[in-house]
Amino acid sequence: NAGVMQNPRHLVRRRGQEARLRCSPMKGHSHVYWYRQLPEEGLKFMVYLQKENIIDESGMPKERFSAEFPKEGPSILRIQQVVRGDSAAYFCASSPDQTGYLYGYTFGSGTRLTVV
Amino acid sequence: DQQVKQNSPSLSVQEGRISILNCDYTNSMFDYFLWYKKYPAEGPTFLISISSIKDKNEDGRFTVFLNKSAKHLSLHIVPSQPGDSAVYFCARGPSGTYKYIFGTGTRLKVLA
Repeated sequence: NAGVMQNPRHLVRRRGQEARLRCSPMKGHSHVYWYRQLPEEGLKFMVYLQKENIIDESGMPKERFSAEFPKEGPSILRIQQVVRGDSAAYFCASSPDQTGYLYGYTFGSGTRLTVV
Repeated sequence: DQQVKQNSPSLSVQEGRISILNCDYTNSMFDYFLWYKKYPAEGPTFLISISSIKDKNEDGRFTVFLNKSAKHLSLHIVPSQPGDSAVYFCARGPSGTYKYIFGTGTRLKVLA
C-alpha cells in the first residue's frame, strides 16, 4: 500500500453536474478525514468518517455535499449540482485511530476539481 | 475567529544556510501546532509538531519554536538543502480532535 490513494487526480465538471471524489485510506486505517483547499487559502476540515459512520461533518456545506465511508470500498465525497465556487483541491487523510492527530495525518495527493 | 497566518508567501535561502518559516496565530485555546510540507502534485506530509506546553521541539535538521506570549510559531531548517524546496504549512488543532486549521503556506526555495 503506497499510502492514501485519491482519484481522480483532476476532475472537470460543468456547472450543475455531480462530482464524485474517491479516497482509499492506508491499509489498516479506518478513520478518514476530508479537507478542502480553496484558492489562496489553507486547508480546511470538512468531514470525519469511520467505517459506515459519519463522526463529524461540521465543516461540510449543508447543501449539495455528502460523504460516505462504506464497509467495503473507498470513502466517497459527493458534490451535487457543482458551482464555480466548488473549484478547489480536495484532500483526504487517514489514521488508524482517533489519536492520529498527535502524529500528523497521512494525506493523499488530492483531487483538483475545476468547475467550468 | 481562530486563525493561523503565514504572512510570507515565499522565501529563498542559500543551500547550507538556515531557513526560518513563521506563523502567527490568534486565540490560545489550541493545544497542538504542526508543520506540514507539500511538494507539487502531492499531498501535505507531516513534518513536526509541538504541544502548547512546550517551547521547542527538535527533530534532526528541523526545530519548531513556540512563543506563546507572542502567539508565534516558527520552523527552523538547518542546514537547508535543495530537497527542502516545497510549500510549508503551519496548522493548529484543539487537543483531542482532528479539526486542524491550516495557514496559507510559505513557498521555500533553497538555492544550490
